[in-house]
Amino acid sequence: IAGITQAPTSQILAAGRRMTLRCTQDMRHNAMYWYRQDLGLGLRLIHYSNTAGTTGKGEVPDGYSVSRANTDDFPLTLASAVPSQTSVYFCASGPQLGTGELFFGEGSRLTVL
Amino acid sequence: DQQVKQNSPSLSVQEGRISILNCDYTNSMFDYFLWYKKYPAEGPTFLISISSIKDKNEDGRFTVFLNKSAKHLSLHIVPSQPGDSAVYFCAASGAGGSYIPTFGRGTSLIVHP
Repeated sequence: IAGITQAPTSQILAAGRRMTLRCTQDMRHNAMYWYRQDLGLGLRLIHYSNTAGTTGKGEVPDGYSVSRANTDDFPLTLASAVPSQTSVYFCASGPQLGTGELFFGEGSRLTVL
Repeated sequence: DQQVKQNSPSLSVQEGRISILNCDYTNSMFDYFLWYKKYPAEGPTFLISISSIKDKNEDGRFTVFLNKSAKHLSLHIVPSQPGDSAVYFCAASGAGGSYIPTFGRGTSLIVHP
């Protein structure tokens, strides 16, 4: 059982380029989330999705977009990357919003130069 | 403004002794609390949770205590082991946060042999 798979594991990107971080889960969870982890700032929510077809903004949504075309996939797109988006990005899922624990992917380390 | 606060960025403990990690929250609508553990280069993993109807939950060496009147929770690890060395995140969810987990900034625990 894979759980949550994120890709790429690591990426170096030039500022201004477009980038999509992929996230796939095989647990049939309804809720999915994208967090970024920065030193001293913990995990901050970027976007979330209650169920396929719906998305919502988190604490730090600017510069990011998401889509939820189906239950399994929840890609995060940076339309025009900036250096402040250098971070480690974690995708997570849960059975439904607000209940039970979240299951996290291994993370995607993104460096924007 | 931070709704979930972990005021100690780091904690150092001797093997075999007790580790106490603290967490404070400001939103009285939070009613479900979780602790996650994170090793370097890995995603966070769920450790233990507690609902607001309880004041204590125990799982092996890990115990979480909740003091609702003080809006404070703590994680006790007894006895501490070197393998417990990791970053610990406190998280809270409930009606006040639209049931989306809000994380603290984390506490880095080092257990010395």
